[in-house]
Amino acid sequence: EVQLVESGGGLVQPGGSLRLSCAASGFTFRSYAMSWVRQAPGKGLEWVSVFTDNGGGAKYSDSVRGRFTVSSDNSKNTLYLQMNSLRAEDTAVYYCAKLYGGYARYWGQGTLVTVSS
Amino acid sequence: DIQMTQSPSSLSASVGDRVTITCRASQGISNYLAWFQQKPGKVPNLLIYAASTLQSGVPSRFSGSGSGTDFTLTISSLQPEDVATYYCQKYNSAPYTFGQGTKLEIK
Repeated sequence: EVQLVESGGGLVQPGGSLRLSCAASGFTFRSYAMSWVRQAPGKGLEWVSVFTDNGGGAKYSDSVRGRFTVSSDNSKNTLYLQMNSLRAEDTAVYYCAKLYGGYARYWGQGTLVTVSS
Repeated sequence: DIQMTQSPSSLSASVGDRVTITCRASQGISNYLAWFQQKPGKVPNLLIYAASTLQSGVPSRFSGSGSGTDFTLTISSLQPEDVATYYCQKYNSAPYTFGQGTKLEIK
């Protein structure tokens, strides 16, 4: 059974940093592309990034490019989202998702990031 | 970047009604389109991929169609448990943009 468990969310001040983790199980982690998607309170879904470990690297939305970095540790079956220079508008629930051919087949439960002073 | 526009933004219909939600891409995306259902307080759930392929376990009253720039999600007979917000998403290439969502309520 595929499971994705996000962690690392919390309250951070504007300009601060946070690293989210997405622990994966039930599939061969390195064989699949993964995405981060976020949802601000009461708002719609916003695609953040896609990551492939086969040389494709990571791609980012305009709103986070240069501030967020995706990486993975295949030995731990874990995807990371390093978030720097956080802004109030980054406040959201962050989901990781396992992709099949580009579409998000499985989603984690999400972790809430609140950027506030 | 390609923009995804859904219509309507909200919709109220009666149980048993046929419901149609539209998603339009600002440029052609072939059939690289997925539809998601998100019930209040829940994680998004994949309904349809490749524009018209029903994900396993999704009720057959849901269907998708379209190619290129214009896509449709149809619920053939609305059920109370279909109350949710529905999103389309393109995935032909990054950015994998979502539509703004369509909130569906029961009349």
